Amino acid sequence: GAGVSQSPSNKVTEKGKDVELRCDPISGHTALYWYRQSLGQGLEFLIYFQGNSAPDKSGLPSDRFSAERTGGSVSTLTIQRTQQEDSAVYLCASSLQESGEAFFGQGTRLTVV
Amino acid sequence: RKEVEQDPGPFNVPEGATVAFNCTYSNSASQSFFWYRQDCRKEPKLLMSVYSSGNEDGRFTAQLNRASQYISLLIRDSKLSDSATYLCVANQAGTALIFGKGTTLSVSS
Repeated sequence: GAGVSQSPSNKVTEKGKDVELRCDPISGHTALYWYRQSLGQGLEFLIYFQGNSAPDKSGLPSDRFSAERTGGSVSTLTIQRTQQEDSAVYLCASSLQESGEAFFGQGTRLTVV
Repeated sequence: RKEVEQDPGPFNVPEGATVAFNCTYSNSASQSFFWYRQDCRKEPKLLMSVYSSGNEDGRFTAQLNRASQYISLLIRDSKLSDSATYLCVANQAGTALIFGKGTTLSVSS
């Protein structure tokens, strides 16, 4: 597709379950970002992938959160043992190397019940 | 990490008004600057880049003050459709994009 694609668009899960969120970036974009946004709040940086460099994981809130990017393209964000405070919209974005102009997917709305 | 600070507002203005937002950044090594717009329950979208000499796009003017480490966005002749949250970004090349928490604008008729 032409834009950043995220799946699922909505996810409801029970507390304690693991979830995987997927992001397909724009083809050719080497930078990929994950953010979290709670209702009425700003974008909270989670993790940043740039080409073959080691990812910047400094925004991950706990060791229950992890992400990988396979083949420099698709990325998966995994949340283990979900908690109610994990409920938020998880946004993925991609950009050309160092251009800074990021294009966002429509997000995955995660609800932990 | 509080690298980018914005007044959250809300800014409530009538149609036709001129409104300005400021955004301060703490990383003096920042090289790229942007304004994004986010509509309610939508993803952010790039509004405009901010260049050192300042730049204009229609009713929107962006300026950069490196000495004081802030960027600004001026909106002239506000429209109802300008109602949104405006996010600023100050980025050092090769690092993650860190967004300000956004400034909410509400334009009323």
